[in-house]
Amino acid sequence: AQRVTQPEKLLSVFKGAPVELKCNYSYSGSPELFWYVQYSRQRLQLLLRHISRESIKGFTADLNKGETSFHLKKPFAQEEDSAMYYCALSGFDGNQFYFGTGTSLTVIP
Amino acid sequence: GAVVSQHPSWVICKSGTSVKIECRSLDFQATTMFWYRQFPKQSLMLMATSNEGSKATYEQGVEKDKFLINHASLTLSTLTVTSAHPEDSSFYICSALLWQNNEQFFGPGTRLTVL
Repeated sequence: AQRVTQPEKLLSVFKGAPVELKCNYSYSGSPELFWYVQYSRQRLQLLLRHISRESIKGFTADLNKGETSFHLKKPFAQEEDSAMYYCALSGFDGNQFYFGTGTSLTVIP
Repeated sequence: GAVVSQHPSWVICKSGTSVKIECRSLDFQATTMFWYRQFPKQSLMLMATSNEGSKATYEQGVEKDKFLINHASLTLSTLTVTSAHPEDSSFYICSALLWQNNEQFFGPGTRLTVL
C-alpha cells in the first residue's frame, strides 16, 4: 500500500510566486513526517521534519492529521529552490521508513 | 520509473559476524549510489557516497573500516558491516542516482538486527 503520496511529479512556478508541494500519507498510528530535498548534483538532505516545527530556507510544513497531509509551502519561491523534494514518513515505532516518489520543483526566473 | 533493489530485506546475525547488503539498480546504470542509515524515530542519515570504480566517500563519524562499501559495477553497490555489534542494528537504505536527470531512486531498505 502506498504510504506516502506526492501527486505532482513536476511543478513549475515563477520566481516570487508562492509554492506548495503536496504530500499525503496513509498510516495508522502516529507517524513522523519529513521533507527531504536534493539540489542538482548534490546528495539528498533533510529539509525539515514536522516535530521540529521550524522554517528552513523559508519553507514550512504543517502536519494535518485530519487530512493526513504534510504539504510543503513557501510564500515566495526563489530560483535556488529548484530541486527535487521528497516527502517521507517514519512509522511510530521507527521500524518503517517510506519515501514519496518526489516532486521536481522548477522556479522560473 | 527506475527501480532499485536491496538484498536482503531483513537479516539477523550474531555479534562479531559480518553482513553484506546489496544494492542494485535494476533498469539503469548508476555511477553513484548512496547508503543511508535510519535509527528508530530518527531521520535518515547519509553514511557514504559510493562511486563506481573509486573509493567511497564517507560522512563524518562513519567508520570506513566498519562499513565497507564496494561499487564494482554500474548496477551494484555493496555495504558490508564488519564485525557487527548490536549497536549496528538499524535500517539501511541505499539509493541510486540516475545521471540523466539527477534523480535519486531509493531501495526498499534492509533491516539488520545484530544479536
